Amino acid sequence: DIQMTQSPSSLSASVGDRVTLTCRASQSISNYLSWYQQKPGKAPKLLIYAASTLQSGVPSRFSGSGSGTDFTLTISSLQPEDFATYSCQQSHSTPYTFGQGTQVAIK
Amino acid sequence: QLQLQESGPGLVKPSETLSLTCSVSGDSFNDNDYYWGWIRQPPGKALEWIGNIHYGGTTFYNSSLRSRVSISLDPSQNHFSLKLSSVTAADTAVYYCARFVRRVGARHFDSWGQGTLVTVSS
Repeated sequence: DIQMTQSPSSLSASVGDRVTLTCRASQSISNYLSWYQQKPGKAPKLLIYAASTLQSGVPSRFSGSGSGTDFTLTISSLQPEDFATYSCQQSHSTPYTFGQGTQVAIK
Repeated sequence: QLQLQESGPGLVKPSETLSLTCSVSGDSFNDNDYYWGWIRQPPGKALEWIGNIHYGGTTFYNSSLRSRVSISLDPSQNHFSLKLSSVTAADTAVYYCARFVRRVGARHFDSWGQGTLVTVSS
C-alpha cells in the first residue's frame, strides 16, 4: 500500500498568514493527489485534484503543487473559515489512501 | 445538484453485519466517468477508503477489508449499499458515501454525503 505522510501534524497561524502544508507519498503517484478540507462533524470537502487543479467553487487563495512523491497545499492568505483539518489522498493505485491530516488552528 | 445521503443502523453488535445505504439524487449512475464509494473515519483518526463500485458492476475493495466487505448498486432505486460482516469495535467509525471521478488525468472524490456514525457494541 502507498503510505501518505503529512507534515506538520498541526500548526497555529493567524488570519492573513501564508500557510504551506506538505504531503509525501511512499512511492511515485504521478499527479493523482487530492486535497480535502474537513471541519469538525462535517464531511471532507474537495479543494484540489490532480495535484494542482482547483475544484470549482473553491477560493483562489488555495493552490496545490507537486508531482511524483512530494506535494504541497498553499493557502495564500488564511481566512477565519480556513481553520480546519486538511488531508491529502492518492488515487494512483488501490487501496486509495489518505494522509493523517494537518490541523490548522488559530494562533 | 448532486446530493448523497447515508442511512442505516447507528448501532451494530459485534460479529454481526453492518449494512448502510447511500441514496443519490441529482445524478444518475450510468455515467462511465463515475464510481461510487465508501470511506470511513474512526473517531479521531484518518480517513480510510473502503471500496468503489461502477454502474457496470466493477468493484474495487480495500485489501484490508476485502474478505468482509461487499458493495452493490441499485440504479432503479438510485442507491448503492455497503455490507461489512463480522464487525468488531475497530469498525466503529463515521461512514461516508461519495462519488469518485475517474477520467483521464483526474481521479478524486468530488461529492460526499454528510456521514453516519456506526458504533459496534453489545
